[in-house]
Amino acid sequence: DIVMTQTPLSSPVTLGQPASISCRSSQSLVHSDGNTYLSWFHQRPGQPPRPLIYKISKRFSGVPDRFSGSGAGTDFTLKISRVEAEDVGVYYCMQATQSPLTFGGGTKVEIK
Amino acid sequence: EVQLVESGGGLVQPGGSLRLSCAASGFTFNSFWMSWVRQAPGKGLEWVANIKQDGSETEYVDSVKGRFTISRDNANNSLYLQMNSLRAEDTAVYYCARERRLAYWGQGTQVTVSS
Repeated sequence: DIVMTQTPLSSPVTLGQPASISCRSSQSLVHSDGNTYLSWFHQRPGQPPRPLIYKISKRFSGVPDRFSGSGAGTDFTLKISRVEAEDVGVYYCMQATQSPLTFGGGTKVEIK
Repeated sequence: EVQLVESGGGLVQPGGSLRLSCAASGFTFNSFWMSWVRQAPGKGLEWVANIKQDGSETEYVDSVKGRFTISRDNANNSLYLQMNSLRAEDTAVYYCARERRLAYWGQGTQVTVSS
């Protein structure tokens, strides 16, 4: 199984400042079809996860452009250009390149 | 508007069974893979199972293989998860989601396995 490792576990941020979350996979996420199936999700307490990013850097419909994804191979990053109050919660990366689909352990973003 | 509504959760004793349902609307159900994902209390997300558009292919996480069965009824836009031989560690909120990239999620249904 592909292991997904996120850092940091927790990220205190200042409103209006940028934030960055790293996700590393135990093996390359490049699929035989040439795509890299790496996604990011945001979850607030008591809510289902909200999809943010798929295929490394493509935003789902309705996701603000302050969210961006980057990376390749085994190293990926989610960046929030200017953190807003509604961005608090837990962020998860996920790979869908190989079954079983696997998630990172999560990164909690909170306001300082 | 895409909607996914799960039902069928509840309290069950260890060794018991439950069948979860997910009613889909707002999209062409038979055009998409469908998935189940769970989240144990205070824990992260765990993918459980996928099923192809026509039901011809299914995938499972190892911990549920042989106990859980994913299925679908395209005529009624419904997804199911039959859960047998339930264990305490299956206690979680179970979400259905559209596609292998999990583009849309339901609100979830709580499953509690306890004596």
